[in-house]
Amino acid sequence: KNEVEQSPQNLTAQEGEFITINCSYSVGISALHWLQQHPGGGIVSLFMLSSGKKKHGRLIATINIQEKHSSLHITASHPRDSAVYICAVKGGVNDMRFGAGTRLTVKP
Amino acid sequence: DAGVIQSPRHEVTEMGQEVTLRCKPISGHDYLFWYRQTMMRGLELLIYFNNNVPIDDSGMPEDRFSAKMPNASFSTLKIQPSEPRDSAVYFCASRWDREGTQYFGPGTRLTVL
Repeated sequence: KNEVEQSPQNLTAQEGEFITINCSYSVGISALHWLQQHPGGGIVSLFMLSSGKKKHGRLIATINIQEKHSSLHITASHPRDSAVYICAVKGGVNDMRFGAGTRLTVKP
Repeated sequence: DAGVIQSPRHEVTEMGQEVTLRCKPISGHDYLFWYRQTMMRGLELLIYFNNNVPIDDSGMPEDRFSAKMPNASFSTLKIQPSEPRDSAVYFCASRWDREGTQYFGPGTRLTVL
């Protein structure tokens, strides 16, 4: 079993839909990152969380440390949100572990 | 700032050749990371530096891989000799503190024939 599990693996939505991507982990962490990888391959760091919730535009990330679970929400999804979303957890000094990613396709 | 700069963007080489990947982090960032991404294994952290000093290279796959950071504005990842299984996209990222947001470079797509 992977230490960082993401679900779903693939997600197709219609423009305007509310989207949720989930990340569960089995190790102790000091922080969790959500990354976005564009179809061209570039990676953008969206959020770094250690507790609670963060919001940036239409993106919201939450984390529940006790349940070892994080969610990334996208409100009013748009085709330009189509990308692979990757969850990464930081455990020890340098213990970055990555989920396999969720491929999101938003259709117009 | 131009962001994290990597070169080359694409590299095709033959098995056994030496490959050098280059990275220029964002000015002022104290941490630099090298990652590898493959279809089979996803993203993997290879090594990271703090203030030009390698802190943890436990992710480096084997002795054929080496990384240096001679100064705050430049790092290299070298593979010698290269093998087809090294084919991947190699990303460099930097950040300004231990816990902050990482900024990724565009990546170098390496193909070893």
